[in-house]
Amino acid sequence: KAGVTQTPRYLIKTRGQQVTLSCSPISGHRSVSWYQQTPGQGLQFLFEYFSETQRNKGNFPGRFSGRQFSNSRSEMNVSTLELGDSALYLCASSGLAGGPGELFFGEGSRLTVL
Amino acid sequence: TQLLEQSPQFLSIQEGENLTVYCNSSSVFSSLQWYRQEPGEGPVLLVTVVTGGEVKKLKRLTFQFGDARKDSSLHITAAQPGDTGLYLCAGAGTNDYKLSFGAGTTVTVRA
Repeated sequence: KAGVTQTPRYLIKTRGQQVTLSCSPISGHRSVSWYQQTPGQGLQFLFEYFSETQRNKGNFPGRFSGRQFSNSRSEMNVSTLELGDSALYLCASSGLAGGPGELFFGEGSRLTVL
Repeated sequence: TQLLEQSPQFLSIQEGENLTVYCNSSSVFSSLQWYRQEPGEGPVLLVTVVTGGEVKKLKRLTFQFGDARKDSSLHITAAQPGDTGLYLCAGAGTNDYKLSFGAGTTVTVRA
């Protein structure tokens, strides 16, 4: 069974640019969550999608957005990048509808903003 | 501020020693999970505890959920270099679909 796949693994952007990250969950999983991980703050919850609907949202500015497609694949977008957006962005999928059960994480997309 | 406070932040011990990591909160959780993350990888679930006072053992790892479901601990007996990693606790709220993570404890076991 293939795991959670995130692309790209690494990327470098400059301030003011925008970025789109992609996540393919485990086959059959309909819940996808996104987290931002930084050394100082740990894992911070961004949002969670289930069947194309955003069910929960963390305390991030509107520059952070996401969506989920009918095949459960998900994307997150960050617009007008700031230096503080440099982080590891982790996607996790879950097979439970009533969540949160076990989260299966991808390896992450490491974003560096210069 | 973190909803879940983990201590210590860093822990470095010799192979064969024991260690305990703590996870505390003022909030009540419906369940609490422990994950381990190794460099370059995403976190991997170790255990989920649901009932207050619950104790679960996974080989040399012992997990405990506080009676009030606000805190938890992870104890490793006779630590090995393979136990090295970032240990994260995560609490599930009673009404939502998100997990709140602690900042993590970085454990280094020296051979």
